[in-house]
Amino acid sequence: NAGVTQTPKFQVLKTGQSMTLQCAQDMNHEYMSWYRQDPGMGLRLIHYSVGAGITDQGEVPNGYNVSRSTTEDFPLRLLSAAPSQTSVYFCASSYSGGGVNTEAFFGQGTRLTVV
Amino acid sequence: DAKTTQPPSMDCAEGRAANLPCNHSTISGNEYVYWYRQIHSQGPQYIIHGLKNNETNEMASLIITEDRKSSTLILPHATLRDTAVYYCIVRPRGATNKLIFGTGTLLAVQP
Repeated sequence: NAGVTQTPKFQVLKTGQSMTLQCAQDMNHEYMSWYRQDPGMGLRLIHYSVGAGITDQGEVPNGYNVSRSTTEDFPLRLLSAAPSQTSVYFCASSYSGGGVNTEAFFGQGTRLTVV
Repeated sequence: DAKTTQPPSMDCAEGRAANLPCNHSTISGNEYVYWYRQIHSQGPQYIIHGLKNNETNEMASLIITEDRKSSTLILPHATLRDTAVYYCIVRPRGATNKLIFGTGTLLAVQP
């Protein structure tokens, strides 16, 4: 049971490049989310999903796209990277449980630098 | 969504109890109090949650005041490995996919 796996762990991009951050979970969780964390700040929600085929925007969605074709995977796409997107990105998953409160499990993060 | 207020930093001696306060005076009746912690830029880790009763698990205890406007996370015997940023989050039941993080409290456990 690997939990939530994020790849890559580190990435350097040039301004204008595109890339996809991968997130996979093996706990059969319906809920998945992407957060970014800037230095000295808490995590901010980018996009989230309540199940395959269903996604929605969080607090800071601009510049990012997501899709959820399977329960296991929730990739985050940067369309045209900007220095302002330099951050640490965390993926999380949790069981919806029909509304029963359960914990969210987080990956170890992807550290992205845009130059 | 209820906003939370936490002190930016606290110190605690190793082996002593660490008491981390959180103010959430605008909490709604359907909102739970969650605590997560983040050790040295790793992914956040769930600690405990509660609605109105005190809760305890293998990691910590959560004390919620009767009016639910504040709570305290208690680590009974802090160790150096408990040094982390602790986040108090208030969210409606089931909204585990939309956590709203503040800046948290940096707990430094001193030897």
